[in-house]
Amino acid sequence: DAGVTQSPTHLIKTRGQQVTLRCSPKSGHDTVSWYQQALGQGPQFIFQYYEEEERQRGNFPDRFSGHQFPNYSSELNVNALLLGDSALYLCASGLRDRGPTGELFFGEGSRLTVL
Amino acid sequence: DAKTTQPNSMESNEEEPVHLPCNHSTISGTDYIHWYRQLPSQGPEYVIHGLTSNVNNRMASLAIAEDRKSSTLILHRATLRDAAVYYCILRDFPYGQNFVFGPGTRLSVLP
Repeated sequence: DAGVTQSPTHLIKTRGQQVTLRCSPKSGHDTVSWYQQALGQGPQFIFQYYEEEERQRGNFPDRFSGHQFPNYSSELNVNALLLGDSALYLCASGLRDRGPTGELFFGEGSRLTVL
Repeated sequence: DAKTTQPNSMESNEEEPVHLPCNHSTISGTDYIHWYRQLPSQGPEYVIHGLTSNVNNRMASLAIAEDRKSSTLILHRATLRDAAVYYCILRDFPYGQNFVFGPGTRLSVLP
Protein backbone atom coordinates (compact mmCIF):
# COMPACT_ATOMS: atom_id res chain seq x y z
CA ASP A 1 0.00 0.00 0.00
CA ALA A 2 1.64 3.19 -1.17
CA GLY A 3 1.71 6.02 1.29
CA VAL A 4 1.53 9.70 0.42
CA THR A 5 3.55 10.44 -2.69
CA GLN A 6 4.75 13.87 -3.75
CA SER A 7 6.39 15.20 -6.88
CA PRO A 8 8.79 16.57 -7.73
CA THR A 9 11.17 15.81 -4.87
CA HIS A 10 13.43 18.76 -5.62
CA LEU A 11 13.12 21.79 -7.83
CA ILE A 12 14.79 25.13 -8.38
CA LYS A 13 12.98 28.26 -9.51
CA THR A 14 13.82 31.93 -9.83
CA ARG A 15 12.05 34.86 -8.22
CA GLY A 16 8.78 35.78 -9.89
CA GLN A 17 8.18 32.36 -11.39
CA GLN A 18 5.30 30.04 -10.60
CA VAL A 19 5.46 26.49 -9.30
CA THR A 20 3.07 23.55 -9.06
CA LEU A 21 3.59 20.72 -6.60
CA ARG A 22 1.63 17.49 -6.70
CA CYS A 23 0.42 15.04 -4.10
CA SER A 24 -1.29 11.66 -4.16
CA PRO A 25 -2.86 10.75 -0.83
CA LYS A 26 -2.61 7.41 0.89
CA SER A 27 -5.06 4.92 -0.59
CA GLY A 28 -8.52 5.37 0.90
CA HIS A 29 -7.90 8.85 2.29
CA ASP A 30 -10.20 11.72 1.34
CA THR A 31 -8.63 14.84 2.82
CA VAL A 32 -5.37 16.48 1.89
CA SER A 33 -3.50 19.31 3.55
CA TRP A 34 -0.32 21.17 2.69
CA TYR A 35 2.41 22.42 4.99
CA GLN A 36 5.47 24.61 4.49
CA GLN A 37 8.59 23.78 6.50
CA ALA A 38 11.46 26.26 6.53
CA LEU A 39 14.88 24.99 7.48
CA GLY A 40 15.15 24.29 11.21
CA GLN A 41 11.49 25.02 11.93
CA GLY A 42 8.34 23.00 12.39
CA PRO A 43 5.85 22.68 9.53
CA GLN A 44 3.32 25.48 9.06
CA PHE A 45 -0.20 24.73 7.86
CA ILE A 46 -1.11 26.24 4.47
CA PHE A 47 -4.55 24.79 3.73
CA GLN A 48 -6.73 21.69 3.76
CA TYR A 49 -8.91 20.26 0.99
CA TYR A 50 -11.90 18.00 1.27
CA GLU A 51 -14.52 17.24 -1.39
CA GLU A 52 -12.53 19.35 -3.83
CA GLU A 53 -12.94 22.50 -1.76
CA GLU A 54 -10.58 24.45 0.47
CA ARG A 55 -11.89 23.95 4.01
CA GLN A 56 -9.31 25.59 6.24
CA ARG A 57 -6.50 27.99 5.52
CA GLY A 58 -3.49 29.09 7.47
CA ASN A 59 -1.83 32.49 7.43
CA PHE A 60 -0.54 32.40 3.87
CA PRO A 61 -1.10 34.98 1.11
CA ASP A 62 -3.29 34.43 -1.93
CA ARG A 63 -0.18 33.61 -3.96
CA PHE A 64 -0.62 30.15 -2.46
CA SER A 65 -3.51 28.29 -4.01
CA GLY A 66 -4.52 24.70 -4.38
CA HIS A 67 -6.78 22.21 -5.93
CA GLN A 68 -8.16 18.79 -5.13
CA PHE A 69 -9.24 16.45 -7.90
CA PRO A 70 -12.06 13.88 -7.90
CA ASN A 71 -9.51 11.11 -7.24
CA TYR A 72 -8.48 13.03 -4.06
CA SER A 73 -5.06 13.97 -5.37
CA SER A 74 -4.03 17.57 -4.91
CA GLU A 75 -1.87 20.36 -6.27
CA LEU A 76 -0.27 23.31 -4.54
CA ASN A 77 0.43 26.35 -6.69
CA VAL A 78 2.62 29.25 -5.68
CA ASN A 79 2.73 32.37 -7.88
CA ALA A 80 5.25 35.21 -7.98
CA LEU A 81 7.84 33.27 -6.05
CA LEU A 82 9.89 35.04 -3.40
CA LEU A 83 13.20 34.01 -1.92
CA GLY A 84 11.36 33.35 1.34
CA ASP A 85 9.26 30.67 -0.32
CA SER A 86 12.28 28.39 -0.31
CA ALA A 87 11.24 25.50 1.92
CA LEU A 88 10.18 21.89 2.13
CA TYR A 89 6.53 21.55 1.14
CA LEU A 90 4.78 18.65 2.80
CA CYS A 91 1.52 17.03 1.83
CA ALA A 92 -0.52 15.12 4.40
CA SER A 93 -3.60 12.98 3.98
CA GLY A 94 -6.20 11.59 6.31
CA LEU A 95 -9.77 10.45 6.72
CA ARG A 96 -12.23 13.21 7.52
CA ASP A 97 -14.59 10.87 9.38
CA ARG A 98 -11.91 9.93 11.92
CA GLY A 99 -12.25 13.32 13.61
CA PRO A 100 -9.82 14.16 16.41
CA THR A 101 -8.34 10.67 16.69
CA GLY A 102 -7.41 10.26 13.06
CA GLU A 103 -3.75 10.41 12.22
CA LEU A 104 -2.21 12.30 9.37
CA PHE A 105 0.14 10.59 6.96
CA PHE A 106 2.82 12.83 5.52
CA GLY A 107 4.77 12.53 2.33
CA GLU A 108 8.51 13.08 2.17
CA GLY A 109 8.02 16.52 0.71
CA SER A 110 9.07 18.64 -2.23
CA ARG A 111 12.16 20.74 -1.63
CA LEU A 112 11.76 24.11 -3.38
CA THR A 113 14.70 26.46 -3.80
CA VAL A 114 14.03 29.97 -5.09
CA LEU A 115 17.04 31.84 -6.48
CA ASP B 1 1.75 30.47 17.79
CA ALA B 2 2.20 26.94 19.06
CA LYS B 3 0.07 26.17 22.09
CA THR B 4 2.67 23.80 23.45
CA THR B 5 6.19 24.24 24.79
CA GLN B 6 8.91 21.63 24.62
CA PRO B 7 12.65 21.58 25.36
CA ASN B 8 14.70 22.34 22.27
CA SER B 9 16.84 19.24 22.57
CA MET B 10 17.42 16.12 24.63
CA GLU B 11 19.98 13.37 24.62
CA SER B 12 19.67 9.71 25.51
CA ASN B 13 21.79 6.61 25.48
CA GLU B 14 20.77 3.69 23.34
CA GLU B 15 18.50 1.14 25.02
CA GLU B 16 17.63 3.51 27.86
CA PRO B 17 14.18 5.01 28.45
CA VAL B 18 13.49 8.54 27.26
CA HIS B 19 10.92 10.92 28.70
CA LEU B 20 10.01 13.82 26.42
CA PRO B 21 7.97 16.51 28.22
CA CYS B 22 5.41 18.90 26.81
CA ASN B 23 3.60 21.77 28.50
CA HIS B 24 0.17 22.84 27.29
CA SER B 25 -1.21 25.00 30.08
CA THR B 26 -3.97 26.54 27.91
CA ILE B 27 -5.44 23.20 26.85
CA SER B 28 -9.22 23.08 26.62
CA GLY B 29 -11.50 20.20 27.48
CA THR B 30 -11.93 19.13 23.87
CA ASP B 31 -8.27 19.28 22.85
CA TYR B 32 -6.57 16.01 21.99
CA ILE B 33 -2.83 15.66 22.57
CA HIS B 34 -0.99 14.26 19.58
CA TRP B 35 2.68 13.43 19.16
CA TYR B 36 4.44 13.21 15.83
CA ARG B 37 8.09 12.75 15.03
CA GLN B 38 10.18 13.68 12.03
CA LEU B 39 13.14 11.55 11.11
CA PRO B 40 15.92 13.16 9.05
CA SER B 41 14.90 13.82 5.44
CA GLN B 42 11.37 12.52 5.99
CA GLY B 43 7.92 13.95 6.65
CA PRO B 44 6.45 13.80 10.15
CA GLU B 45 4.97 10.49 11.28
CA TYR B 46 2.30 9.80 13.86
CA VAL B 47 3.45 8.44 17.20
CA ILE B 48 0.54 8.48 19.63
CA HIS B 49 -2.40 10.52 20.88
CA GLY B 50 -4.57 10.81 23.97
CA LEU B 51 -7.29 12.84 25.64
CA THR B 52 -7.27 12.18 29.39
CA SER B 53 -5.98 8.71 30.14
CA ASN B 54 -2.49 7.36 29.66
CA VAL B 55 -2.05 5.53 26.37
CA ASN B 56 0.27 2.82 25.11
CA ASN B 57 1.01 1.57 21.62
CA ARG B 58 3.79 -0.35 19.95
CA MET B 59 5.90 2.77 19.50
CA ALA B 60 5.56 4.62 22.80
CA SER B 61 3.54 5.52 25.87
CA LEU B 62 1.83 8.81 26.59
CA ALA B 63 1.43 9.94 30.18
CA ILE B 64 -1.05 12.79 30.66
CA ALA B 65 -1.11 14.85 33.84
CA GLU B 66 -4.30 14.79 35.84
CA ASP B 67 -4.97 18.48 35.09
CA ARG B 68 -4.00 17.89 31.43
CA LYS B 69 -1.67 20.88 31.46
CA SER B 70 1.30 18.71 30.60
CA SER B 71 2.13 15.35 29.07
CA THR B 72 5.15 13.13 28.60
CA LEU B 73 6.02 10.90 25.68
CA ILE B 74 7.90 7.83 26.85
CA LEU B 75 10.14 5.76 24.63
CA HIS B 76 10.84 2.65 26.67
CA ARG B 77 14.11 1.66 25.01
CA ALA B 78 15.62 4.25 22.72
CA THR B 79 17.25 3.01 19.54
CA LEU B 80 19.40 4.90 17.07
CA ARG B 81 16.40 4.99 14.75
CA ASP B 82 14.49 7.05 17.34
CA ALA B 83 16.76 10.05 16.75
CA ALA B 84 14.33 12.62 15.41
CA VAL B 85 12.47 15.85 16.14
CA TYR B 86 9.44 15.14 18.32
CA TYR B 87 6.42 17.42 18.12
CA CYS B 88 3.68 17.73 20.71
CA ILE B 89 0.48 19.10 19.12
CA LEU B 90 -2.95 20.01 20.47
CA ARG B 91 -5.73 19.05 18.11
CA ASP B 92 -8.78 21.19 18.72
CA PHE B 93 -12.35 21.35 17.47
CA PRO B 94 -13.40 21.16 14.66
CA TYR B 95 -10.50 18.74 14.39
CA GLY B 96 -9.28 19.69 10.97
CA GLN B 97 -5.80 19.10 9.65
CA ASN B 98 -4.48 22.52 10.72
CA PHE B 99 -1.87 21.20 13.11
CA VAL B 100 0.19 23.87 14.87
CA PHE B 101 3.76 22.58 15.02
CA GLY B 102 6.22 24.27 17.34
CA PRO B 103 9.97 23.80 16.96
CA GLY B 104 9.73 20.43 18.75
CA THR B 105 12.39 18.56 20.70
CA ARG B 106 15.40 17.24 18.84
CA LEU B 107 16.28 13.87 20.38
CA SER B 108 19.81 12.57 19.96
CA VAL B 109 20.49 8.90 20.77
CA LEU B 110 24.04 7.97 21.63
CA PRO B 111 25.33 4.45 20.92
